[in-house]
Amino acid sequence: AQKITQTQPGMFVQEKEAVTLDCTYDTSDQSYGLFWYKQPSSGEMIFLIYQGSYDEQNATEGRYSLNFQKARKSANLVISASQLGDSAMYFCAMRVNFGNEKLTFGTGTRLTIIP
Amino acid sequence: DSGVTQTPKHLITATGQRVTLRCSPRSGDLSVYWYQQSLDQGLQFLIQYYNGEERAKGNILERFSAQQFPDLHSELNLSSLELGDSALYFCASSTPTVYGYTFGSGTRLTVV
Repeated sequence: AQKITQTQPGMFVQEKEAVTLDCTYDTSDQSYGLFWYKQPSSGEMIFLIYQGSYDEQNATEGRYSLNFQKARKSANLVISASQLGDSAMYFCAMRVNFGNEKLTFGTGTRLTIIP
Repeated sequence: DSGVTQTPKHLITATGQRVTLRCSPRSGDLSVYWYQQSLDQGLQFLIQYYNGEERAKGNILERFSAQQFPDLHSELNLSSLELGDSALYFCASSTPTVYGYTFGSGTRLTVV
């Protein structure tokens, strides 16, 4: 079974600062994918970034980057130059690549950007 | 618009009633997933359909059932509703060759 742990229930960050959201995972599978989603107050789930377990380089998408440390089983999301619109819930999720294709989610981190 | 359409957006119903949530996946996607997001349980996988066939089951109650039709839209049926079934229900779709999942905007169910 897979498990995702997000230990930061809430974070407050000053606008324009960088922020790191923590995510650790547990799986016995060798081939898997890690995802980050953003959920604003309106409720929709917005895909941010993906990292495959065999990807050698950390994934980046604009202001989002994923700090992937396979040996430590961590997949932290880094948001550079935070903006007020970044205030939302952030979920880390994983999927193993063989068998069940479901996403297993963490409990989320509520990020609030302070002007 | 993500390409995944969920209807209705909001639903208020009484305990003991039955409701049907509908999901139209993104064009070309064969897999449909249903998730429940509640305050106490977080985001939980309920069930997956692939091209009309049930593929995987998660924490889905026996009072809940789903199906995927030949046109690939899916319906989640919730019966004998209880107060604890109040939640945001998401549908997501994906294709086998793409790693991403596309989520619908969700159906917010309130049981009173």
